Amino acid sequence: AQSVAQPEDQVNVAEGNPLTVKCTYSVSGNPYLFWYVQYPNRGLQFLLKYITGDNLVKGSYGFEAEFNKSQTSFHLKKPSALVSDSALYFCAVRDMEMDSSYKLIFGSGTRLLVRP
Amino acid sequence: NAGVTQTPKFRILKIGQSMTLQCAQDMNHNYMYWYRQDPGMGLKLIYYSVGAGITDKGEVPNGYNVSRSTTEDFPLRLELAAPSQTSVYFCASSRLGRVQETQYFGPGTRLLVL
Repeated sequence: AQSVAQPEDQVNVAEGNPLTVKCTYSVSGNPYLFWYVQYPNRGLQFLLKYITGDNLVKGSYGFEAEFNKSQTSFHLKKPSALVSDSALYFCAVRDMEMDSSYKLIFGSGTRLLVRP
Repeated sequence: NAGVTQTPKFRILKIGQSMTLQCAQDMNHNYMYWYRQDPGMGLKLIYYSVGAGITDKGEVPNGYNVSRSTTEDFPLRLELAAPSQTSVYFCASSRLGRVQETQYFGPGTRLLVL
């Protein structure tokens, strides 16, 4: 079965420091991977996606993610965290097993807390 | 550009009541989806639609119904509300159903069933 795991419920980092939010996946075939961010009382906002090509994907708000096929990981990174980055982050993979729906399979989410 | 809009933002229902969660998108997207988000969990797909007049079940469809009479609108119906349906509901859309397509989400509807 296809799945996404986010091993950390919460990540704490000081403002100005680099941050990493971890994601690992299990899929059959090529993975199509996405990161979304959810601010309090808001919907999910798309950050970036990996479809093919360069392993380092750049996205919105200075975020980037590194695709590592051998480790089946797609970690979200940012060189310098901002307090305003504090939010809930979801990793997702496209479900290739359900015909036609192409639904997203979401991880359980990681709460990022950036302290001043 | 409004994107994906949802109403209401918050609703309290009594057990057995019914309601319709509204979703609309103005991006001319063909695909639309309904997800629910339970505390501490990721989102799970309830129903989806590949175009007007075509809908299909996701992984957690029991207790819900949908319709898609227009490209823009994709309402979700709860017929007999149960406490297990307490959740946050998100509507999403994508231009096509290809695997590389990004899904765009609405702000969500928080539902409490008592």
